[in-house]
Amino acid sequence: KQEVTQIPAALSVPEGENLVLNCSFTDSAIYNLQWFRQDPGKGLTSLLLIQSSQREQTSGRLNASLDKSSGRSTLYIAASQPGDSATYLCAVFTTDSWGKLQFGAGTQVVVTP
Amino acid sequence: EAQVTQNPRYLITVTGKKLTVTCSQNMNHEYMSWYRQDPGLGLRQIYYSMNVEVTDKGDVPEGYKVSRKEKRNFPLILESPSPNQTSLYFCASSFNRGSDQPQHFGDGTRLSIL
Repeated sequence: KQEVTQIPAALSVPEGENLVLNCSFTDSAIYNLQWFRQDPGKGLTSLLLIQSSQREQTSGRLNASLDKSSGRSTLYIAASQPGDSATYLCAVFTTDSWGKLQFGAGTQVVVTP
Repeated sequence: EAQVTQNPRYLITVTGKKLTVTCSQNMNHEYMSWYRQDPGLGLRQIYYSMNVEVTDKGDVPEGYKVSRKEKRNFPLILESPSPNQTSLYFCASSFNRGSDQPQHFGDGTRLSIL
């Protein structure tokens, strides 16, 4: 059974510092991996999706890498801002789990001015 | 505007009174799913649907039912709600599981079962 882990559970950084968020998964047979952002009490907003054949995706200050062989993905957020404060979650579709989407528990990020 | 719409957004009800949470998407997505989010337990998938009339259990299906009679709608039914189903619920959709397009989430439904 796929297990998705996100470390650390919480992170606090001063504004301007780069953020590095980690996601690991136990079964490398995945269709894709997605990163989401969730603000308190709100729904999830998709940030980046990496297909299993890709190594990375970029959008603005965000860059996500994928290393399937080691079961890891990293989300980099450059030059963090207070508006980046949120919980970040990763999720994977595994090829042998039909339609199940497995989420990590998330990393809660606080960017202090 | 592309969106996933859930109703109601908030509901307080009593044990045993059947309720339905509706979910509708306007993106012609094949894949739809329901999640519940609880403090300390994260997001857990309840049911998903790969297409019309094709549904399957997620990780926590007990006490829930779903149906997918039309592509755009995927209601979540609690036939006899209990207090342990008090939670924040999300509906989501995408083209399919292998798509290069992301999951779209609704704004959530906060259910309180007394």
